[in-house]
Amino acid sequence: GQNIDQPTEMTATEGAIVQINCTYQTSGFNGLFWYQQHAGEAPTFLSYNVLDGLEEKGRFSSFLSRSKGYSYLLLKELQMKDSASYLCAVKDSNYQLIWGAGTKLIIKP
Amino acid sequence: SQTIHQWPATLVQPVGSPLSLECTVEGTSNPNLYWYRQAAGRGLQLLFYSVGIGQISSEVPQNLSASRPQDRQFILSSKKLLLSDSGFYLCAWTSGREESRAQYFGPGTRLLVL
Repeated sequence: GQNIDQPTEMTATEGAIVQINCTYQTSGFNGLFWYQQHAGEAPTFLSYNVLDGLEEKGRFSSFLSRSKGYSYLLLKELQMKDSASYLCAVKDSNYQLIWGAGTKLIIKP
Repeated sequence: SQTIHQWPATLVQPVGSPLSLECTVEGTSNPNLYWYRQAAGRGLQLLFYSVGIGQISSEVPQNLSASRPQDRQFILSSKKLLLSDSGFYLCAWTSGREESRAQYFGPGTRLLVL
């Protein structure tokens, strides 16, 4: 079967750095996506990785290791507005997105 | 730029009543369209997707159905709602099957079946 694993919840302090991990087992791989979802709102696209390595976009970075079936999202200089759920999704051999359940990130002052 | 609309934003319906949720996309042609449901505190469950007018693929057998009467219109329906149909319904679009194409979501419809 296909599976995406993420921690259910994480807590971090404003101004700090947090790393949200994602491991996956899917039939085929056509890229990994990270989305942010604030409570009560729709998910918004954050990043895309298809090759091994780190992609940086401002305060957010995403890393991929295809051989390990592993990715992480790194958030730097955390702000209160970063409190949200972060969803990991993998595009499989049929080009469909397989979604993780999401990681709820709580930022404390 | 592309925009995706969904309505209504919220809906409270009695068990056994019908349902019709609408999604439209602007600023693109021939998009792939998706209906997802998200239960409270859970991940996204793909319900239906469509690669063109009249082409619907169902991922989960249930009492819901979908239709795509026009290129940029996607409708989710039910003849008789169940309590278990409550959730957050999200429509998404993407512009083809290229690997790097992300899915972009509409604002969602929150459905409560009582």
